Amino acid sequence: EDQVTQSPEALRLQEGESSSLNCSYTVSGLRGLFWYRQDPGKGPEFLFTLYSAGEEKEKERLKATLTKKESFLHITAPKPEDSATYLCAVQALFSGAGSYQLTFGKGTKLSVIP
Amino acid sequence: GAGVSQTPSNKVTEKGKYVELRCDPISGHTALYWYRQSLGQGPEFLIYFQGTGAADDSGLPNDRFFAVRPEGSVSTLKIQRTERGDSAVYLCASSLDRAGQGTDTQYFGPGTRLTVL
Repeated sequence: EDQVTQSPEALRLQEGESSSLNCSYTVSGLRGLFWYRQDPGKGPEFLFTLYSAGEEKEKERLKATLTKKESFLHITAPKPEDSATYLCAVQALFSGAGSYQLTFGKGTKLSVIP
Repeated sequence: GAGVSQTPSNKVTEKGKYVELRCDPISGHTALYWYRQSLGQGPEFLIYFQGTGAADDSGLPNDRFFAVRPEGSVSTLKIQRTERGDSAVYLCASSLDRAGQGTDTQYFGPGTRLTVL
């Protein structure tokens, strides 16, 4: 069974204080690992897809990296508008019925204090 | 362009009632997914459509839940005899689903918050 564990559950940072969020996963062959951002009362907003170990992607203050067992979302010099819940999800290479369903972690709630 | 839309945004119903939740995917997206998100949890898969057919309904919790996509675009999630435990946010996502060509990003709608009293 595919599993995703995110840590920490919540993270409080001062504006400008860089940090990393962790996503550990077990999957029967990884098709892709996804990062989403979710604001309160909204649906998840796509950030990145990573396909293979060693891959990195960046967008503004965010950088996602991938190893064979985990992914990190690095946040450099965060701003208050980066406050949100960050969700990690995996998509298995071999899914029943050809489904490309995502298996999500519980998320990390990030608060950036001015 | 327009994203995934869902209606209603909020639905309050009484235990035992029937509800329908609607999803309009991104134009041209052939794959459509329904997920359910409880408070403090990540979304959990319910059902996947490729075109008009439900290709994978393994996430539906029981036979009170049913979904259709008759013309391969709009989808409706139907819940019969609602229970208090059905209260959650129901999310819809769509993707291009280029099978065999790698992963396809799933784009989510804003969700429908269902409250069963």
